[in-house]
Amino acid sequence: AQSVTQLGSHVSVSEGALVLLRCNYSSSVPPYLFWYVQYPNQGLQLLLKYTSAATLVKGINGFEAEFKKSETSFHLTKPSAHMRDAAEYFCAVSKGSQGNLIFGKGTKLSVKP
Amino acid sequence: GAVVSQHPSRVICKSGTSVKIECRSLDFQATTMFWYRQFPKQSLMLMATSNEGSKATYEQGVEKDKFLINHASLTLSTLTVTSAHPEDSSFYICSARPQAYHTEAFFGQGTRLTVV
Repeated sequence: AQSVTQLGSHVSVSEGALVLLRCNYSSSVPPYLFWYVQYPNQGLQLLLKYTSAATLVKGINGFEAEFKKSETSFHLTKPSAHMRDAAEYFCAVSKGSQGNLIFGKGTKLSVKP
Repeated sequence: GAVVSQHPSRVICKSGTSVKIECRSLDFQATTMFWYRQFPKQSLMLMATSNEGSKATYEQGVEKDKFLINHASLTLSTLTVTSAHPEDSSFYICSARPQAYHTEAFFGQGTRLTVV
């Protein structure tokens, strides 16, 4: 079975500071991993994805994530936070390209001026 | 990227009535669409997988007679909440994967259902 654990339901950073959102996964097969962002009352937008190619994945809006098999992690980072980054972030795993997405519980990112 | 349109974005209905939510893939064909439910401050929970031309596959604990899913074409899936009750109030989101080999699922903008 597959699962995702996001450590920290709420992360608060100052504008310009490093953003680090943690995600650990469990999968019996090589996973496909995703990070999505959700703004209030909206659907999900894909930030980036790992599909067994490069372990360091660059996404939109300056975000990137590194797949570390030894640590079963796929943490999301951004060097410098902007106010517009304030949103809910979800890590997700799927079994192959056509599997269902299993979501973590989400991490709400707040950015202080 | 591909666009998934969900309608309506917000609906208020009376207890006992039914509500239909549409999910359309605008620029691609999707043999499979997914319906999720999201409670306040919680994650997305998969309700069912909608397959074009066949019956939907429901997750454990989801009442298929209450949440009717129809996937009549490669670009449209509908979710009907029948005999709605206040506890059905939630945020419902659909997603779709393009028919061809593709690793990314595209999401609709969600529907906020409030049952009064």
